[in-house]
Amino acid sequence: EVQLVESGGGVVQPGRSLRLSCVASDLTFDDYAFHWVRLVPGKGLEWVSGISWNSAKIAYAASVKGRFTVSRDNAKNSVYLEMNSLTIEDTAFYYCTKDDHSTITSPGFKLDPWGQGTLVTV
Amino acid sequence: DIVMTQSPLSLPVTPGEPASISCRSSHSLLHSNGFTYLDWYLQKPGQSPQLLIYFGSSRASGVPARFRGTGSGTHFTLEISSVEAEDVGVYYCMQALETPLTFGGGTKVEIK
Repeated sequence: EVQLVESGGGVVQPGRSLRLSCVASDLTFDDYAFHWVRLVPGKGLEWVSGISWNSAKIAYAASVKGRFTVSRDNAKNSVYLEMNSLTIEDTAFYYCTKDDHSTITSPGFKLDPWGQGTLVTV
Repeated sequence: DIVMTQSPLSLPVTPGEPASISCRSSHSLLHSNGFTYLDWYLQKPGQSPQLLIYFGSSRASGVPARFRGTGSGTHFTLEISSVEAEDVGVYYCMQALETPLTFGGGTKVEIK
């Protein structure tokens, strides 16, 4: 069974940075694209970023573009989210989730499974 | 960006009764290849979101048959034929056509 484990969340002051990590197990990691999705308390789910299998294609939500950077290390089965210039609006649970295919430029996104999430409080 | 709109915001349900959630998209999710790119997710209390339905009507692995996704174009519905206590949580529709991926605002299903 595929498992995703996020880490790196915490309490940070506005303007500071934080780096989230997601480690995947029981899968051929470089066959899949991955995404970060956040749940803002009292609100709903918001897609943050996606990265293709080989990092060639990357996309961001407008709300984080220019401040957040997604990356992956296929040798370590890991995906990362570098978050800079954090604001109180970035306070949320951040989930790492696996896509069903390798690219983020084709339709058919299917996010399964999701990690347990890591809480970022700004 | 494609805007997703869900209703109702809250849905009190009686176990054993049917339930229905509506989702609308600002842009058709029917691709020229014939597939409809609409997913449904459920976030149960204290848990991470889980995939329920993809391609508008295909149930994900392990999802009970009481869950049914219907609709096409810009109007979609998630139906639960007979609600069980374990179905409580927040349901989200998501357009799976293009990035940025966008979700509906969520529908909270709770037992009466």
